Amino acid sequence: EADIYQTPRYLVIGTGKKITLECSQTMGHDKMYWYQQDPGMELHLIHYSYGVNSTEKGDLSSESTVSRIRTEHFPLTLESARPSHTSQYLCASSAPAPLGETQYFGPGTRLLVL
Amino acid sequence: DAKTTQPTSMDCAEGRAANLPCNHSTISGNEYVYWYRQIHSQGPQYIIHGLKNNETNEMASLIITEDRKSSTLILPHATLRDTAVYYCIVRVAISGTYKYIFGTGTRLKVLA
Repeated sequence: EADIYQTPRYLVIGTGKKITLECSQTMGHDKMYWYQQDPGMELHLIHYSYGVNSTEKGDLSSESTVSRIRTEHFPLTLESARPSHTSQYLCASSAPAPLGETQYFGPGTRLLVL
Repeated sequence: DAKTTQPTSMDCAEGRAANLPCNHSTISGNEYVYWYRQIHSQGPQYIIHGLKNNETNEMASLIITEDRKSSTLILPHATLRDTAVYYCIVRVAISGTYKYIFGTGTRLKVLA
């Protein structure tokens, strides 16, 4: 099982602030993902990456951006936070194809924008 | 667009088997079924996955019907710590990788 970490776990911030949600994994997985989950609702894919210098948009339109400069690190940035960004953000990584590409999730970051 | 439908909630007595059904009638031939659970809105925890054969691991068993239109996750001896939201997911290929299509899941409550 992947060791995948997210910081901060909880964040309360005012409107207009720039925030970066950190995600790192220690398993050397090439593929990483960001999902957004509103309370009591299903997860939606917002970004993914095949590997270093690769980023793609997911199904759910998001004003956030991501970068992938190092294999183990996949941060998500909101340039100007708004109350509509309040949600839980979950990061995941997946093992390479011969190992089935099962996705392993981090603990999540709960964001509240006031 | 969720490709799975699950009951909204279920109760199960502690020590008994919990059988969680899932319908995925539009699943394609090469799409896997995955099960995860989420406790107190933590990150989803992987349980098991399968394509067409039944599967078993240390956590659960997965029974997939022959036509692949439905499946059942079985927790053989449910404990209070198994109380969680259980997601049945279809894994869909996108260019170069896969995405999970989550539904709203089944909220399982294990009763003492």
